[in-house]
Amino acid sequence: AQSVTQLGSHVSVSEGALVLLRCNYSSSVPPYLFWYVQYPNQGLQLLLKYTTGATLVKGINGFEAEFKKSETSFHLTKPSAHMSDAAEYFCAVRSDRGSTLGRLYFGRGTQLTVWP
Amino acid sequence: SQTIHQWPATLVQPVGSPLSLECTVEGTSNPNLYWYRQAAGRGLQLLFYSVGIGQISSEVPQNLSASRPQDRQFILSSKKLLLSDSGFYLCAWMTQNNYGYTFGSGTRLTVV
Repeated sequence: AQSVTQLGSHVSVSEGALVLLRCNYSSSVPPYLFWYVQYPNQGLQLLLKYTTGATLVKGINGFEAEFKKSETSFHLTKPSAHMSDAAEYFCAVRSDRGSTLGRLYFGRGTQLTVWP
Repeated sequence: SQTIHQWPATLVQPVGSPLSLECTVEGTSNPNLYWYRQAAGRGLQLLFYSVGIGQISSEVPQNLSASRPQDRQFILSSKKLLLSDSGFYLCAWMTQNNYGYTFGSGTRLTVV
């Protein structure tokens, strides 16, 4: 079965610092991988996704993630944090097995705090 | 364009009262639809999903039920709310050719 582990439920960085949010997945087939962002009292918004092709994926708001099959990882990065990046981030993997076709499995989320 | 609507945005209900949350999708047909709940410290919990009219799969046995009376309508219900039903409820959809979900704006339910 597919699963996602997000290391660190809370990450704090200073404004201008590198943002690194970690995600490891478990999948017995080539995965589709996603990062979503959630601002308070709002729905989740897609940041970026990896399906096939280039392993470095660029998303909105300056975020990017790299699919590393050997490490079963899909870490999210941003070179320079902004105050507006403060939010909760979710990593997800897509299942293509049987009756759960297309279902996404989510990590527990990482709350990003950005200090001025 | 494809959009998803979810209402109400916030709801305060007494214990034992009924619940009905509605989600509708526009600009697409035959979407897979999902209900998730976020409770404090528990991440995203999949409650129900539907691949078509009248087809509902339940992930977690609980006090809630779901229905899909029309292709683009997904309803979450309860006959009697419990305190533990409090949380942030999210509806999402995915079409056959879409690799991800689009989420609604959510409903904050507080059971008092």
